[in-house]
Amino acid sequence: DGGITQSPKYLFRKEGQNVTLSCEQNLNHDAMYWYRQDPGQGLRLIYYSQIVNDFQKGDIAEGYSVSREKKESFPLTVTSAQKNPTAFYLCASSIEISREIENEQFFGPGTRLTVL
Amino acid sequence: GENVEQHPSTLSVQEGDSAVIKCTYSDSASNYFPWYKQELGKRPQIFIDIRSNVGEKKDQRIAVTLNKTAKHFSLHITETQPEDSAVYFCAAPQGRDDKIIFGKGTRLHILP
Repeated sequence: DGGITQSPKYLFRKEGQNVTLSCEQNLNHDAMYWYRQDPGQGLRLIYYSQIVNDFQKGDIAEGYSVSREKKESFPLTVTSAQKNPTAFYLCASSIEISREIENEQFFGPGTRLTVL
Repeated sequence: GENVEQHPSTLSVQEGDSAVIKCTYSDSASNYFPWYKQELGKRPQIFIDIRSNVGEKKDQRIAVTLNKTAKHFSLHITETQPEDSAVYFCAAPQGRDDKIIFGKGTRLHILP
């Protein structure tokens, strides 16, 4: 199913706690992305990474942090500073970020985070 | 700014009729326009795409058209079937770092 996995599928968190969502890909892709999906809001970009040890803020980065220590892994931490963290989180990867190629993104199955 | 607008947000069509979803983009340098389909409870997957060197691409009941001058592109589904029910996202690379920007999605309902 595309070689990109996310865990866990469902996650519950108490208010005020940090939580880390896992994303792993075995597609040898350089670029990885995190999106948040809310009803009627589409796919909003949180962070993206073009290469190992480099990442950039997306449109809604506040309250989130990421790391890219390995090519295949791009974990997302939802911090207590994120005021409305309950959402469906999708990770994706692509060969690279370039408009010169058919830069198809492959999505993971998603993690549904609920703050109690 | 970097923007991809998508309309309508919801579309209901009778089975067998056609459905059209439209998107506009702001970056005139964009040259790759993918469409993703997300079925209920599943991840988005690439559905069809078009590059800027062509004005139309067809694959059986599915077609995409592109008007670079007007900066808009459309998805056309003919002879709709129940399995076409899903959320469809358009996208385009925008801005100096070429990252893909998604539209807000269209929820397509095929009515029996």
